[in-house]
Amino acid sequence: GNSVTQMEGPVTLSEEAFLTINCTYTATGYPSLFWYVQYPGEGLQLLLKATKADDKGSNKGFEATYRKETTSFHLEKGSVQVSDSAVYFCALTNSGGYNKLIFGAGTRLAVHP
Amino acid sequence: GAVVSQHPSRVICKSGTSVKIECRSLDFQATTMFWYRQFPKQSLMLMATSNEGSKATYEQGVEKDKFLINHASLTLSTLTVTSAHPEDSSFYICSAEGRLASYNEQFFGPGTRLTVL
Repeated sequence: GNSVTQMEGPVTLSEEAFLTINCTYTATGYPSLFWYVQYPGEGLQLLLKATKADDKGSNKGFEATYRKETTSFHLEKGSVQVSDSAVYFCALTNSGGYNKLIFGAGTRLAVHP
Repeated sequence: GAVVSQHPSRVICKSGTSVKIECRSLDFQATTMFWYRQFPKQSLMLMATSNEGSKATYEQGVEKDKFLINHASLTLSTLTVTSAHPEDSSFYICSAEGRLASYNEQFFGPGTRLTVL
């Protein structure tokens, strides 16, 4: 079946450090891929998405490229801020059905001044 | 952008009582809404998918008599936790699927934290 695997956290970085959160997936067909962010006590917010191979999603300095050959969608940011501290979820949707989102386990990021 | 609201944001209830959580799409019509449950420091678990005017489809292991879902209109879905017990304490999140461009996208509510005493 379809699944998403994320690197385990927590990830602890100093401000202005480079961030990579790995995400790989298993899916049939042509899934769409997402990164969601959850700040403490809040619901999920879509951070970025990519709907086909080689697409690059970007938002707020974050980027991720849909790599079909490696079935990956790694999240990167060149210089993190304290305000980026949150839990990041990688997710995919099937190519059909109700577009049910399948989430990875989430990776907690803590950025210190 | 598309906004989804949930009410209440927090609720504390006694064991044995029922609690209703509302999920509304404020500026778009949502034919499909999803209900998730999130345990502390864990990922979201899909509980059920509801389509306006029809019965919800529950995921395996989710008790449909325990978690009643009603999707009465294109902008409102409700989740009722019946005869709540402490193990039902969790963060419940809804999402609504809207077609804003050429793509169906899910928009998430802010979540409802349920505490059962």
